[in-house]
Amino acid sequence: EADIYQTPRYLVIGTGKKITLECSQTMGHDKMYWYQQDPGMELHLIHYSYGVNSTEKGDLSSESTVSRIRTEHFPLTLESARPSHTSQYLCASSENTGHEQFFGPGTRLTVL
Amino acid sequence: EDQVTQSPEALRLQEGESSSLNCSYTVSGLRGLFWYRQDPGKGPEFLFTLYSAGEEKEKERLKATLTKKESFLHITAPKPEDSATYLCAVRAAGNKLTFGGGTRVLVKP
Repeated sequence: EADIYQTPRYLVIGTGKKITLECSQTMGHDKMYWYQQDPGMELHLIHYSYGVNSTEKGDLSSESTVSRIRTEHFPLTLESARPSHTSQYLCASSENTGHEQFFGPGTRLTVL
Repeated sequence: EDQVTQSPEALRLQEGESSSLNCSYTVSGLRGLFWYRQDPGKGPEFLFTLYSAGEEKEKERLKATLTKKESFLHITAPKPEDSATYLCAVRAAGNKLTFGGGTRVLVKP
């Protein structure tokens, strides 16, 4: 079944650690996105990719980085996590920019 | 700058009590308005896409409508399982989605 997956679902780490949040989709979509969402707040776009080897920063400034080496895989990395990075991170994909985006279940990150 | 405002922020309904959620937007050249449902701790689930004023979409107890300045999500005879946060997003010329803050809906039996 075509779907979008995120791992881990929950992560609690200490300050200064390097982490990678995984996102994979089996829908064959070229477009992929990362959003950040604090509890009860709007989703904010932090990174997007329109295809392999294409990545762009979103509207919300983020210290994270992303890569797109394979169509189905769009990992997000924090080199040195800080408490201010505590949030929910949502990955999404779409067939085209004009089409609806489909979201993964999210990763809830807590940095102590 | 594209802006999306949803109201009310929260809505408490009795089972069977129909109501409407509002999504007001300010964009340069609307290229799509999207409604999503989000349950606690989960990613948003796609509901509808509307592209032009006058367009309507329906799914079970939900009906979305669109005008030139706003969209409504009507919930008819809601059930407790309709409890969720409903998100509205717009896509303008920049191809990126701008989300509103959502409306938290609680339907009590």
